[in-house]
Amino acid sequence: QSVLTQPASASGTPGQRVTISCSGSRSNIGGDYVYWFQHVPGMAPNLLIYRDNQRPSGVPDRFSGSNSGTSASLAISGLRSEDEADYYCAAWDDRLRGLVFGGGTKLTVL
Amino acid sequence: EVQLVESGGGLVQPGGSLRLSCAASGFTFSSYYMNWVRQAPGKGLEWVANIKQDGSEKYYVDSLRGRFIISRDNAKNSLYLQMTSLGAEDTAVYYCARGPDYQFMDVWGQGTTVTVSS
Repeated sequence: QSVLTQPASASGTPGQRVTISCSGSRSNIGGDYVYWFQHVPGMAPNLLIYRDNQRPSGVPDRFSGSNSGTSASLAISGLRSEDEADYYCAAWDDRLRGLVFGGGTKLTVL
Repeated sequence: EVQLVESGGGLVQPGGSLRLSCAASGFTFSSYYMNWVRQAPGKGLEWVANIKQDGSEKYYVDSLRGRFIISRDNAKNSLYLQMTSLGAEDTAVYYCARGPDYQFMDVWGQGTTVTVSS
């Protein structure tokens, strides 16, 4: 049981916009930044979004993040086949004094 | 090029110990927090621990505190994870990851696999 809650799966067709949600509490998302990672099995995870809505250099602007209260979301617009991967949200939890991840969302591009 | 290379994984018997290493290159190692994150087979990512730039502060996931110890050697640009009393539940790919601050990781290694089995 993960501290942050994500849907287990999401899907879309090429060109569509997909949103992945991440729900937490006041001790994590509600009081700190949210981070998003993309993970293709067998490869190193990749930072997509940091501090709620900032993109590292090299991450396309098709990826965007938002944080509202105790929930956050990742939006992917102009969906592409190479976006098929597992997506994880994460946040520092002030009560647990540690970083917590969501359970991950498997994105399928149909 | 920024690079993190993990090593030290392998097959270990239940109750055994293992020490993982992570060699960093391409950046000023002593300027960053460093993390260990693991992924068990068929499961999601689980943060294990992190350590401050000078080693003065360490944070652990509650479930592993006492069995795992994170450390670093800035002179050798290396991060370590000493794991003891290993059980089947510790079977996972272990990733080393760089942290611009204590809250997140921006660069990850490819991981090293630890299998706990008799």
